[in-house]
Amino acid sequence: DVKVTQSSRYLVKRTGEKVFLECVQDMDHENMFWYRQDPGLGLRLIYFSYDVKMKEKGDIPEGYSVSREKKERFSLILESASTNQTSMYLCASTTSPYLEFFGPGTRLTVL
Amino acid sequence: GENVEQHPSTLSVQEGDSAVIKCTYSDSASNYFPWYKQELGKGPQLIIDIRSNVGEKKDQRIAVTLNKTAKHFSLHITETQPEDSAVYFCAASAGTSYGKLTFGQGTILTVHP
Repeated sequence: DVKVTQSSRYLVKRTGEKVFLECVQDMDHENMFWYRQDPGLGLRLIYFSYDVKMKEKGDIPEGYSVSREKKERFSLILESASTNQTSMYLCASTTSPYLEFFGPGTRLTVL
Repeated sequence: GENVEQHPSTLSVQEGDSAVIKCTYSDSASNYFPWYKQELGKGPQLIIDIRSNVGEKKDQRIAVTLNKTAKHFSLHITETQPEDSAVYFCAASAGTSYGKLTFGQGTILTVHP
């Protein structure tokens, strides 16, 4: 089975902190994604990457950056966390046009 | 950009009944429409999808229909079971955009035994 793992299930940070969310997949997928999930808004695409060292902005990139130094790892960075970034963060990977594999999510609370 | 509207936001049915969730989309270039099921504490799981050259697709108790003219698509679950209780999301994309999906708002389905 393909596995997409995320470094933390729950995270509590303070306003202004730098936050790293890590995602690792074990199936050699080229394509990796970070989505944010909020009640009543569904999932929204933050950033994605189709290759190592490559990144592209999604629909809501403001306040976030990403890093992809290795094919299996895709990190989401909150440079200065704010309370409106309290959310569920979902990483996903795929080797096809179809988004098949999501991680379990990280529920981030910013106080 | 694409906009996907999903209804209803909550749906409660008795075990054995059918459940229908509807989505509309705005971008006529969209040609791929997946549905995801998210159980408590888990990430979304792809359960069925349909492409714009197909009007209907079935997989056991679930089916999806697509009306390109009206720009809407629906998920149908028959003979619902308590384990069908979850949040369901529809999504849309242009098929060339790997993994770049626009999601609906989600429907909380509760199946009462």
